[in-house]
Order: sequence, then structure tokens, then C-alpha cells
Amino acid sequence: AQKVTQAQTEISVVEKEDVTLDCVYETRDTTYYLFWYKQPPSGELVFLIRRNSFDEQNEISGRYSWNFQKSTSSFNFTITASQVVDSAVYFCALSQRNTGNQFYFGTGTSLTVIP
Amino acid sequence: NAGVTQTPKFQVLKTGQSMTLQCAQDMNHEYMSWYRQDPGMGLRLIHYSVGAGITDQGEVPNGYNVSRSTTEDFPLRLLSAAPSQTSVYFCASSYFLRASEAFFGQGTRLTVV
Repeated sequence: AQKVTQAQTEISVVEKEDVTLDCVYETRDTTYYLFWYKQPPSGELVFLIRRNSFDEQNEISGRYSWNFQKSTSSFNFTITASQVVDSAVYFCALSQRNTGNQFYFGTGTSLTVIP
Repeated sequence: NAGVTQTPKFQVLKTGQSMTLQCAQDMNHEYMSWYRQDPGMGLRLIHYSVGAGITDQGEVPNGYNVSRSTTEDFPLRLLSAAPSQTSVYFCASSYFLRASEAFFGQGTRLTVV
């Protein structure tokens, strides 16, 4: 079965703090892809990153970084020096080769950055 | 480059009315899907299609109908609206059978009264 769990429903941090959003996934497929999306208050879904199951290298993009660990089935997202514009709902998602490209989304983590 | 175009952005329906949410993409993606987003439940898959003429049910298909006559268009029909269908609906497209992120439309906020 495929499943994505985002245990943190809501997180509040003060501006400039670092924050990590957790994502744990379940899959039996050996070829799969992991994603993070951002949904700001305006409501659209913004793609942030895609990772495939064969690439466990961590990635950094500006203040954003992602830690992919197959051993713990986790794909965590860290925002360094958070800003008010980071306030949004963040979704982690999984897709698998053996189901075409069907996406499985977590329930999202609502991040509020307090100025 | 329009991406995924979804209309309307807002809609209010009365119980029992029917309507169609439109979705079109210009990226030649094989895979298209509809999701609904409800508080605390993330995005749940309603229906999806892997190509023209092919559709299948997702996690929450009851009360919805889809068709895919062209690669570009994937409309979602509400047959007889119910208050439980009050939600935000997203259309998405992506490549099929290869690594691809999903591209989303702007969403439709539907209220059934």
C-alpha cells in the first residue's frame, strides 16, 4: 500500500528560526518519486522539488533543503531562517512507476511564520 | 505558456443541480487527474485518466463523472450536487510512466447550499 504521513498538522515559528517539516512514506515499489508542494494563502499549488528513489543525495536550494533517507522512509524539508512569506501549507507526495503516475498526498503541514 | 487552465474559480450550486468543471492543459501530458481538498484531509483523488478515451476511479469517485475525448481536456461533472461536495477542486496533469511532477490548475472553490 502507498501512504504518505505528515504528522505535524500545524507549526508556528518566529521569523528567522529554522523549521523542519517531516514526511514519512510507505511503498513497496522500488522505483518511486517524492515531491514537496507549497500552497500559499492564495490557494495555488506550487511545485518545490522532486526526488527519485535512486537518488539519496540531499538537496539545497537557497534557504530550502531536503533530506531523503530511504532507511527511515523519510523525506524531510527544512527551511532555514524562515520568513513570513514561507507561511503556507506544505504537502509531501509520492508517485510510483507501477501505478503510472498516480500521486499520493500527505494531509499537509500548515506553517505559520510569526514576524 | 498556459499550463493547466481550470474554470470556474468559484461556484455556488444548489443541492441537486449539476455542473461541469473544466480543465485543459497545453503540455501534451498523458496523465490528468482531479482532486478535492478538504480541511485536514490533504488532496484526495477523484478520477484520473492516462490518455484520451481512458478514465478510472480514484479514492473518492462517487457523485462525479469524467470523460477524456482529447489529450488536452478533462472535464469533471457533478451529477446532482450535495452539500458534502463542498470543497476545493484541483485539476492536475503530468507525464505518464516517467518521472514528472504534477502541474496544477488554480483550483475551483465550490459551495453547495
